[in-house]
Amino acid sequence: ETGVTQSPTHLIKTRGQQVTLRCSSQSGHNTVSWYQQALGQGPQFIFQYYREEENGRGNFPPRFSGLQFPNYSSELNVNALELDDSALYLCASSLEQGHGELFFGEGSRLTVL
Amino acid sequence: KQEVTQIPAALSVPEGENLVLNCSFTDSAIYNLQWFRQDPGKGLTSLLLIQSSQREQTSGRLNASLDKSSGRSTLYIAASQPGDSATYLCAVRHGGGNKLTFGTGTQLKVEL
Repeated sequence: ETGVTQSPTHLIKTRGQQVTLRCSSQSGHNTVSWYQQALGQGPQFIFQYYREEENGRGNFPPRFSGLQFPNYSSELNVNALELDDSALYLCASSLEQGHGELFFGEGSRLTVL
Repeated sequence: KQEVTQIPAALSVPEGENLVLNCSFTDSAIYNLQWFRQDPGKGLTSLLLIQSSQREQTSGRLNASLDKSSGRSTLYIAASQPGDSATYLCAVRHGGGNKLTFGTGTQLKVEL
């Protein structure tokens, strides 16, 4: 059984560019959520996808968007990158919404220059 | 708005010591609480999940307790080892969905 995998592991972008981060959920998990973790802070919830629909969102602007595919994998897209978007982006999957244990990937480290 | 606080922010102990990490939350209407471990620059590893109806969970040398009414959880680590050195995060879930609210973590160092 494979765990949650994310790509790329590291990337560097410049302000104003766009970025796409990818996540493959753990086998059989149908719910994917994304988190942003700034240095020295706890992760902050960005949004969640269940059955290819966004069904929960944290306090992030619309330039943060996502997709979930029929195989439950997911993408996080960030447009018009800002310096403060530099962070570790974590993907988490769970077998069911609301009560199940969340399993996290290793994250994608984004640096915006 | 749910707020999660972890005390202490950092802790250094000698190998073999038993230790307790604390987590408090302001809104007691939670579905569950999960403890994670994070190594530097890495993702989160789930340690223990406690449902709101449970009082504690154990896994090996780890024991987590939950007192929902007082908004507190503790993570007890027995016989600490240098490999336990990491940041420990607690997170609460409330409402439907998978939104977790995290604390800022306790950075643990276990010295030889």
